[in-house]
Amino acid sequence: GAGVSQSPSNKVTEKGKDVELRCDPISGHTALYWYRQSLGQGLEFLIYFQGNSAPDKSGLPSDRFSAERTGGSVSTLTIQRTQQEDSAVYLCASSMTGSGVGYNEQFFGPGTRLTVL
Amino acid sequence: GQSLEQPSEVTAVEGAIVQINCTYQTSGFYGLSWYQQHDGGAPTFLSYNALDGLEETGRFSSFLSRSDSYGYLLLQELQMKDSASYFCAVARASSYKLIFGSGTRLLVRP
Repeated sequence: GAGVSQSPSNKVTEKGKDVELRCDPISGHTALYWYRQSLGQGLEFLIYFQGNSAPDKSGLPSDRFSAERTGGSVSTLTIQRTQQEDSAVYLCASSMTGSGVGYNEQFFGPGTRLTVL
Repeated sequence: GQSLEQPSEVTAVEGAIVQINCTYQTSGFYGLSWYQQHDGGAPTFLSYNALDGLEETGRFSSFLSRSDSYGYLLLQELQMKDSASYFCAVARASSYKLIFGSGTRLLVRP
């Protein structure tokens, strides 16, 4: 597609339920990132994929959070046993490569607003 | 550790010039980038500085001083549509993830 897409755009769930958030990166982008943004805050890095591998999962808040990427394209972020503090906007971004050489602009999707009741 | 500091809010008048500062502390600094985010929207890339000096892109310019661990975003000829949040973000050497500041909310008044 023309840009990064995410689904659903909004998700309301009850505490304790599992949720899956989906990201479709820009075609051909090998690097994919998940960030979390709480209201009025900056973006918090969660995880980075290069192809289907995740060299850096250091930002995942707990073992309730997991992510996978298949076919070097679509990624799914799963949150198990959701808690109220998980409420935030989850943003996905992609870039052509993840190399530190030069700079690879990250293109962001519109985000999924997660509300845990 | 690593941290970025930027003002939480700035207000300016349409047509004016505004500067948003960013100071950072990080190991392995590679470059400083700026993103714009309108309410409810996705962050969009504005600029990137890897070397000291000023980068100009239309009405927006970005400056970096590596020795001072400091940068700024300069917005000229402000328009109402420039009302948004602006984030500085550090790219670390041989890395890929961006470390974001908490953002500066810019309000442009008529």
